[in-house]
Amino acid sequence: AQKITQTQPGMFVQEKEAVTLDCTYDTSDQSYGLFWYKQPSSGEMIFLIYQGSYDEQNATEGRYSLNFQKARKSANLVISASQLGDSAMYFCAMRGYSTLTFGKGTMLLVSP
Amino acid sequence: EAGVTQFPSHSVIEKGQTVTLRCDPISGHDNLYWYRRVMGKEIKFLLHFVKESKQDESGMPNNRFLAERTGGTYSTLKVQPAELEDSGVYFCASSPAHGYGYTFGSGTRLTVV
Repeated sequence: AQKITQTQPGMFVQEKEAVTLDCTYDTSDQSYGLFWYKQPSSGEMIFLIYQGSYDEQNATEGRYSLNFQKARKSANLVISASQLGDSAMYFCAMRGYSTLTFGKGTMLLVSP
Repeated sequence: EAGVTQFPSHSVIEKGQTVTLRCDPISGHDNLYWYRRVMGKEIKFLLHFVKESKQDESGMPNNRFLAERTGGTYSTLKVQPAELEDSGVYFCASSPAHGYGYTFGSGTRLTVV
C-alpha cells in the first residue's frame, strides 16, 4: 500500500520569500512517481511538478522545485519568491500502477 | 486543447435523491479516473476506466455509486440514493495511454442535505 504524509496543515510566508512544503511517502514499489498539485479557492487541481523515482536530477518548473531525497522518502516542494497568487491548498501525490494516492494537503497563505 | 470538463460545478440535493455527475476527458485520453474529497480528508481514488472498461473500481464506496463510460468518451457517476456522507468534491482526471500526465477537472461540489 502507498501512503503520503503532509505534516503541515497550514503554512504562512511573506511575499517574495521562499517556502518549503513537506511531503514524505511510503511505498514498496521500485518504480513510482511523485506529483504536486495546487488547488486555489476556485477548486480546480493544477499540476505543478513531477518527479520520477528513477530521475537523478531534482525536478524544476519555474519557481517550483522538488527536493527529492529517495533514501529519506521525502519529496518536498520548494516555492521560491512567493507571490500572493500562490495562496492555495497544495497536495502531494504518488502514482502507483495507474492511480494517485494523495496526502491531506497543506494550506499556504502568502501575506504582503 | 480543451481540458477536462466536469458538470455541474455544484449540486445540492436532498438525501434519497439521485444525482449524476458528468466528466468529459481530454480528447484521445484513454484513461479516465474519478476521485473524491470529503471535507477535511484526503482525496480518495474511486475508479479508473481504460477506454470504456473499468480497470479498477476498488475505491467505489458502495453499490449506490455507478460509473459508466459509454464509447470510451465521457463518463458519468451516478449516486442513487444519495446519503449525507456522500457530500464532497468529486474530481475527474484523464491521462493518455502513455506518459505520466494527469489532468484534473475543476470538480463537482456535491452537497446532500
